[in-house]
Amino acid sequence: EVQLEESGGGLVQPGGSLRLSCAASGFTFSSYEMNWVRQAPGKGLEWVSYISSSARIIYYADSVKGRFTISRDDAKNSLYLQMNSLRAEDTAVYYCARGYSYGYDFDHWGQGTLVTVSS
Amino acid sequence: DIVMTQSPLSLPVIPGESASISCRSSQSLLHSNGHNYLDWYLQKPGQSPQPLIFLGSNRASGVPDRFSGSGSGTDFTLKISRVEAEDVGVYYCIQTLQTPPTFGQGTKVEIK
Repeated sequence: EVQLEESGGGLVQPGGSLRLSCAASGFTFSSYEMNWVRQAPGKGLEWVSYISSSARIIYYADSVKGRFTISRDDAKNSLYLQMNSLRAEDTAVYYCARGYSYGYDFDHWGQGTLVTVSS
Repeated sequence: DIVMTQSPLSLPVIPGESASISCRSSQSLLHSNGHNYLDWYLQKPGQSPQPLIFLGSNRASGVPDRFSGSGSGTDFTLKISRVEAEDVGVYYCIQTLQTPPTFGQGTKVEIK
């Protein structure tokens, strides 16, 4: 069974940093593209970042470019999101999602981890 | 960026009846390979989003055939036949043709 489990969320002050992790199991992690998608409280879904299976191709939403860094460790079956210079508008539940075929076809999602940016 | 517009934003439904959600894109989502890069997701209350439809009309694994997707180019529709109580939640369309992939605002489906 495919499972994705996010961790690392919490309360952080504006300007601070946080590192999210997504532990994958039940599939060959190294073969799949991965994404982060977020959802601000009471709001809709927003794609954040993508990483190819080889990690050679990486994309970011303009709203996080230059502040967030996506990475993966295939030996640990894990996906990461390093978030720096956090802003109040980054407050959201962050989901990791697997891209099944064309990168953005999110066939499995984690349960999400809440990041709150507040002083 | 491609802008996705859903309507309606709220949809009260009667169990057993059908319901339709529209999704329009600011640019054509039809790729030269013949596929429309438009997907649908459902987020049930308190849960993570789950896939319903990929590439305009292909049901995701395990999705009941009550759900169907149609359309091409810039106009797409998700139809739910014989709505059940478990179908409540927020439905999102997303274009996956271009980076960044962009979601519609979401349509909240609730039982009337």
